[in-house]
Formats: sequence, structure tokens, C-alpha cells
Amino acid sequence: DAMVIQNPRYQVTQFGKPVTLSCSQTLNHNVMYWYQQKSSQAPKLLFHYYDKDFNNEADTPDNFQSRRPNTSFCFLDIRSPGLGDAAMYLCATSRTGSPTDTQYFGPGTRLTVL
Amino acid sequence: GQSLEQPSEVTAVEGAIVQINCTYQTSGFYGLSWYQQHDGGAPTFLSYNALDGLEETGRFSSFLSRSDSYGYLLLQELQMKDSASYFCAVSSNDMRFGAGTRLTVKP
Repeated sequence: DAMVIQNPRYQVTQFGKPVTLSCSQTLNHNVMYWYQQKSSQAPKLLFHYYDKDFNNEADTPDNFQSRRPNTSFCFLDIRSPGLGDAAMYLCATSRTGSPTDTQYFGPGTRLTVL
Repeated sequence: GQSLEQPSEVTAVEGAIVQINCTYQTSGFYGLSWYQQHDGGAPTFLSYNALDGLEETGRFSSFLSRSDSYGYLLLQELQMKDSASYFCAVSSNDMRFGAGTRLTVKP
């Protein structure tokens, strides 16, 4: 029944050690988003894929990269995590990418950086 | 630029009615959405208003006034399980979330 799946739910990494978070969807939606959410803050959009087209937010650090090998999967790569990157990372999908489209969120991956 | 303002915290008792306001500044406005997020969980969609007026979905209603750049989420017959954070989100060139309102429902 799960529609947007994120693995793992909790990830611990060391300062500077690359880490990859994964997201998969069973909705066959065109668009997949990655958000960063820190405690008591709004989800902040990092980037999104419209199909295979990558769209980076202007203020997303270069340290964050993403890959979408197929419709179902999308990965978030953090090349050199810093202490400030500790957060919940949310994956979301929408059918068309229209700003009026409902976004469906996964349960998130909580990243801890030691 | 874009900005959204909503109260950071609201407390109410079971069975009561609570209103969470959201004011926004944006260009190219299409509509206002509301999402609910329980602690440790994912945001889930509650409602969307593109036009002025009230949209009702069960115990939850959402209102929009485009001329006032203002909307609210109304929760009736509050239950303990309604304790969560509620985010308004503006659809313009993309979707931007407010900082969220943490609702605590007390017995």
C-alpha cells in the first residue's frame, strides 16, 4: 500500500563521509522532489526531477546531488555531510508537477551527522 | 519574494474549534494548500483552495481570500489525534511551505 517509500528511515553518518538516501514510488508520477526539514521548520525544497529533467533550487548547496535512474527511484547524495546537514529529508511526488498538484510525501529519512 | 506567516503554536481542548491563520505574499498565486504532519511523520495533504471561499472536508475546513492574501484552516470537534503541525503552502511558480503551526489538543 505504501506509495512513496524512503530507505532507510534513520541514517547515521560521519562528518564528511558521503551518504545516499533513497526514495521509490509506486504512483508512476512524473515528478519527484527532495526536501530538507529541520526541527520546527518548513520543508525546504532542494531540487526536483520532472521526468529526467533535473531542477535545482538556486540556494541548494553543491554538496547535495540527486539521481533519478528511472521513474520509480530517486536518490539524494550528500557528498560531504556537515553537522548542519543533520535533518529530516523528505521525498515527495506529484503527478504533473503543476504548482497546484497535490504532493505525496514519503515518511522521511532522519539523518544524523556525527 | 515569497513569504508565508502562520502562528507557531496553538493549544485547544478536545471538542473545541480552532482556526489556524495563514497570510502570504507571493507573485503568480494559484492557490493555498494545507498539510498535516504528525511528529516523526510525513506531511499529508488536507485541502486546497484556488478560489475565494470555504472548502469543507469533514471536520476540517479551509478558507481563502485572495484579495486579502489570507487563508485559514478550521478544525472542528477537536480530537487528541489532531495534535500535529499544520503547514500552509502557497502554489505560485512552485509550492512553498510556511513554517508550520504546532497544534496541541488537551483533554
